[in-house]
Amino acid sequence: EVQVVESGGDLVQPGGSLRLSCSVSGFTFSNYWVSWVRQAPGQGLECVATINPDGNVKFYMPSVMGRFTISRDDAKNSLYLQVDSLRAEDTAVYYCAVDFRYWDQGALVTVSS
Amino acid sequence: DVVMTQSPLSLPVTLGQPASISCRSSQSLVSSNGNTYLTWLQQRPGQSPRRLIYEASNRDSGVPDRFSGSGSGTDFTLEISRVEAEDVGIYYCMQDTHWPWTFGQGTRLEIK
Repeated sequence: EVQVVESGGDLVQPGGSLRLSCSVSGFTFSNYWVSWVRQAPGQGLECVATINPDGNVKFYMPSVMGRFTISRDDAKNSLYLQVDSLRAEDTAVYYCAVDFRYWDQGALVTVSS
Repeated sequence: DVVMTQSPLSLPVTLGQPASISCRSSQSLVSSNGNTYLTWLQQRPGQSPRRLIYEASNRDSGVPDRFSGSGSGTDFTLEISRVEAEDVGIYYCMQDTHWPWTFGQGTRLEIK
């Protein structure tokens, strides 16, 4: 059975940091591009970062460049998003999406003082 | 950035009737390897997105065959042959040919 489980969502003050983690099982994680997609309250979808199967190609949305860092550990079947210098506009549900085929349940990140 | 434009944005449909959603991209989605990376996602109320169609016309396993995708280049369509109650939700097209991957605004399907 395919499972994608995320952890790390939280309430954070502006300027703060947190790390989102996504753990997968039930398929060969290392074969796929993996992305972080966010959805602000009542809004559409936005892909903020993506990483290739080898982990040596990473793309970021301009609005998060230099603040967010995507990484993967295939030995642990895990994907990570380190988010720093958080802003109010980063408030959203963050999803881990493997090849956009497998999605997790989402984690709410709220940036507020 | 590639702009993805969906229409309509609201789609009231009678149960058992067909439905169609259009998605247009501001530039061709044909990749250098010849593949077209156009994906259709369904997001039911309160749920995570679910992939229905990939590479414009390939249905994911477990997706009912009443869903079909077609199109090429810059013009794509998602069709539902007979709408069922479980189809209520928001449908997004998405391209992952050109970074940044971009999504359409979403089409909200509701039952009349």
